[in-house]
Amino acid sequence: DQQVKQNSPSLSVQEGRISILNCDYTNSMFDYFLWYKKYPAEGPTFLISISSIKDKNEDGRFTVFLNKSAKHLSLHIVPSQPGDSAVYFCAASAPGNQFYFGTGTSLTVIP
Amino acid sequence: DTEVTQTPKHLVMGMTNKKSLKCEQHMGHRAMYWYKQKAKKPPELMFVYSYEKLSINESVPSRFSPECPNSSLLNLHLHALQPEDSALYLCASSPDSSNEKLFFGSGTQLSVL
Repeated sequence: DQQVKQNSPSLSVQEGRISILNCDYTNSMFDYFLWYKKYPAEGPTFLISISSIKDKNEDGRFTVFLNKSAKHLSLHIVPSQPGDSAVYFCAASAPGNQFYFGTGTSLTVIP
Repeated sequence: DTEVTQTPKHLVMGMTNKKSLKCEQHMGHRAMYWYKQKAKKPPELMFVYSYEKLSINESVPSRFSPECPNSSLLNLHLHALQPEDSALYLCASSPDSSNEKLFFGSGTQLSVL
């Protein structure tokens, strides 16, 4: 049973516009969430994280929003750049537990 | 050094072969992980080592045998694999195993013939 879901397998966005990637989870014990970016033939690279005590975390062009009541988080990238084209995974964990990954969203930023 | 290094990058093996995947980190991290990732699927946890002791084995078949010789090294010994074991094998590390972000290596793409 998939505890972390990314329902959009792919997303295309024009360069300069906002990219919004979504992630839903089912386990209310999850308290730490991360986004990873993955290029082909490379391992996932950490992008940004958020703990459940916050509802927003920002790092440069990347902002993660957490809605605990809806069990939903989203990653906003603005402005989107062609180098952002990659597969994005969200991951979640409960205290002292393993990370559960979503199935990924492939983002294409069109120049 | 903020890298997790995995070797080899690619591996082709027959079902009767014995091979090993290697992973190394010099960030002083005390937790190391093996994940398996199939195409268009999320990474799936296989093993976790915490302070050089195996702390999680996600019911992985015995044809996969992990080893943590020291706090910087993690091996995955492979024997009598099946074609369905073909996947990207990712190593990761974290400062410890309690909700710290994972640093991933670039993976070993394994093909079992």
